[in-house]
Amino acid sequence: QKEVEQNSGPLSVPEGAIASLNCTYSDRGSQSFFWYRQYSGKSPELIMSIYSNGDKEDGRFTAQLNKASQYVSLLIRDSQPSDSATYLCAVELSNAGNMLTFGGGTRLMVKP
Amino acid sequence: GAVVSQHPSWVICKSGTSVKIECRSLDFQATTMFWYRQFPKQSLMLMATSNEGSKATYEQGVEKDKFLINHASLTLSTLTVTSAHPEDSSFYICSPRGGRYGYTFGSGTRLTVV
Repeated sequence: QKEVEQNSGPLSVPEGAIASLNCTYSDRGSQSFFWYRQYSGKSPELIMSIYSNGDKEDGRFTAQLNKASQYVSLLIRDSQPSDSATYLCAVELSNAGNMLTFGGGTRLMVKP
Repeated sequence: GAVVSQHPSWVICKSGTSVKIECRSLDFQATTMFWYRQFPKQSLMLMATSNEGSKATYEQGVEKDKFLINHASLTLSTLTVTSAHPEDSSFYICSPRGGRYGYTFGSGTRLTVV
């Protein structure tokens, strides 16, 4: 089992819809979780970080964390074609110091 | 805050030559530097971790004699790919950590070995 897992996609949604991206992790002791967006050929850019169970909202983005289920998700409301990118889930594993472990990424396509 | 400068952004080199990639944290002191590489359609894979003034710790499968990491100051780390071969062609990304800043990334270096 991989430490951080994501569905590779592509996930295709129409413009204006809600895109739901999911991530599961294996280390129950993990405390810090991050979502990054990566455009093709570019470096990842941080969208959200979440540390506590529940929802965290920032503009059109909402991160959801459920530590009991070892599940973290990212919702993108009112999806735009410019949101088309690969979304990387990253977890700071409890036994890995300050190192981030990345999921394989989910490719999101928002169709006009 | 958390401005990171990585150079070059892309480089093409001949097989057998060496390439140096620089990563600078411009507005904070990076006590730890992570180096990642990313092959096409794959996620980021950690190559090595270095702390300022110490030898780097390499992940399994990464040759320390091939990928030389120097982290001599709190604002500069370099990755040198020695005797590069086509299979080393990849996207290399640095990620400095320090102070109150979270996980930031350099802009990446696209290495193509021909």
